[in-house]
Amino acid sequence: EPEVTQTPSHQVTQMGQEVILRCVPISNHLYFYWYRQILGQKVEFLVSFYNNEISEKSEIFDDQFSVERPDGSNFTLKIRSTKLEDSAMYFCASSEREPLYNEQFFGPGTRLTVL
Amino acid sequence: AQKITQTQPGMFVQEKEAVTLDCTYDTSDPSYGLFWYKQPSSGEMIFLIYQGSYDQQNATEGRYSLNFQKARKSANLVISASQLGDSAMYFCAMRGYTGANSKLTFGKGITLSVRP
Repeated sequence: EPEVTQTPSHQVTQMGQEVILRCVPISNHLYFYWYRQILGQKVEFLVSFYNNEISEKSEIFDDQFSVERPDGSNFTLKIRSTKLEDSAMYFCASSEREPLYNEQFFGPGTRLTVL
Repeated sequence: AQKITQTQPGMFVQEKEAVTLDCTYDTSDPSYGLFWYKQPSSGEMIFLIYQGSYDQQNATEGRYSLNFQKARKSANLVISASQLGDSAMYFCAMRGYTGANSKLTFGKGITLSVRP
């Protein structure tokens, strides 16, 4: 069964460093998302992406964040200068079409630890 | 804007019994979808069940069913015949019809522990 994959599973970085989190959505999906979950808290939407551009972003998704689909398979989230409060689990998700009526499939997550 | 409320404290259920996890929501969208996800201790998010706001019948998926009461704005998840592997965090989420790319809004989650 096709699935969303994410790499790495765990990333440790120093405050101020840049990190790139990678995702490979399900191959025929067209809508892509990043969410984050701070430990013990609810899952929060960061950004959605369709047709090679951002469709919607939350107030969390400030200028330090960017997303890219560099080729036909990868979808990346870059944090330019990490802060301690960026420590969280980051989930990539994808959806095939008509997202209202179709579930978003989540990847296993990347746990980001900022020291 | 959408809001999901999950206020139950940690839930406990005996193996093989049924359990109901509560979820209430608020939205001004005329059309929306409601979802439940399971998050085991390993951290991944597993889709369980979906209910559309205009669906006439309550959704069912195996041992999972959704008790959808539109007038009360509630979408409770019912797990029948609980198994030890059901122990996890459960999140209720919704998506409003604000365009083709609507995000999911999650509740805070409920921890379910299944006792042998």
